[in-house]
Amino acid sequence: GQNIDQPTEMTATEGAIVQINCTYQTSGFNGLFWYQQHAGEAPTFLSYNVLDGLEEKGRFSSFLSRSKGYSYLLLKELQMKDSASYLCAVLDSNYQLIWGAGTKLIIKP
Amino acid sequence: DAGVTQSPTHLIKTRGQQVTLRCSPKSGHDTVSWYQQALGQGPQFIFQYYEEEERQRGNFPDRFSGHQFPNYSSELNVNALLLGDSALYLCASSKNREWETQYFGPGTRLLVL
Repeated sequence: GQNIDQPTEMTATEGAIVQINCTYQTSGFNGLFWYQQHAGEAPTFLSYNVLDGLEEKGRFSSFLSRSKGYSYLLLKELQMKDSASYLCAVLDSNYQLIWGAGTKLIIKP
Repeated sequence: DAGVTQSPTHLIKTRGQQVTLRCSPKSGHDTVSWYQQALGQGPQFIFQYYEEEERQRGNFPDRFSGHQFPNYSSELNVNALLLGDSALYLCASSKNREWETQYFGPGTRLLVL
């Protein structure tokens, strides 16, 4: 079966750094996505990794290791508005997006 | 650019009824995907339409069907509604096979009583 695992919930402090991990086992791999979803809203695209390594985009960075089936999303200089769920999704061999259940990130002042 | 639009925003139905949800893609996008997201879960892929044909389908029963029109807009139909169909239904549009361009609409929240 296909499986994507990420922590259910994490708590961090405003101004700090947090790393959200994602491990996956899928039938094939055509890229990994991170999305942000605020409560009651649609997911919004954060990053797309298809090759190993780190992709940096402002305060957000995403890392991929295909051999380990592992990715992380790194959020720096946390702001209260970063409180949201962060979803990891893998594009499998059939080009279908397989989603994790999401990590709820709580930012405290 | 209005982005992806969906209608209605909220809907209440009873078991056994049928429902149609609508989606208009972002300008310049020709591919529409539908997802079901239960509370506290990640989205689950229902199907994808391209050139008015269903190109991919996830693990959903035949009660779930769809359509894409020549202007790229799309409908999701669900027949014989079950309580378990209560969820947020998300439509996402993209350019053909350019997955990083996928853009989500605000969703339709369906409650089945």
